[in-house]
Amino acid sequence: GAGVSQSPSNKVTEKGKDVELRCDPISGHTALYWYRQRLGQGLEFLIYFQGNSAPDKSGLPSDRFSAERTGESVSTLTIQRTQQEDSAVYLCASGIGASSYNEQFFGPGTRLTVL
Amino acid sequence: SQQGEEDPQALSIQEGENATMNCSYKTSINNLQWYRQNSGRGLVHLILIRSNEREKHSGRLRVTLDTSKKSSSLLITASRAADTASYFCATAPDDKIIFGKGTRLHILP
Repeated sequence: GAGVSQSPSNKVTEKGKDVELRCDPISGHTALYWYRQRLGQGLEFLIYFQGNSAPDKSGLPSDRFSAERTGESVSTLTIQRTQQEDSAVYLCASGIGASSYNEQFFGPGTRLTVL
Repeated sequence: SQQGEEDPQALSIQEGENATMNCSYKTSINNLQWYRQNSGRGLVHLILIRSNEREKHSGRLRVTLDTSKKSSSLLITASRAADTASYFCATAPDDKIIFGKGTRLHILP
């Protein structure tokens, strides 16, 4: 079956513009995570959705970042008024359940470049 | 602060040699996972070891877990050029999976 997909694969935008990144998880996966990875760095947790529970937004770096998920399907990560420091690869992962017990499946990521 | 920290940060070895990477973590866990990342994009899950396990094997991979020391190691035997990648350990103490900064492994021909 299909894996986790993300779109666009690459996004170049100008400073101050808003961007929306999309993640399509594997069907049936209740857990969905967003991460940010700056060049040469590790993964930085952003937000976690689990079923119909309130999302864990504790990793969002500022109020310019927001994310939504429709039920147990697609998720969008929105960055408003982008800054150059937002340039990174944004990775999405999904799993059949909480990551305490289950592996996560990653999408290929969206490379965001803010000029 | 990071839950998991890998050591070393970078490792270069000759093809055919074994590569060992270590991971330390801070809080109690249900399991610890290792992932591989090629070319800075999506991660691939390698192996999951549960807190009641001490060692696990998968092909050329061997993972150990010492919960008393809060540490894990990943051994890749008979390394190949295709093993060149970054390797991350991950824990999820509260269902929020946290990655270390990774070990960059380079296999020399």
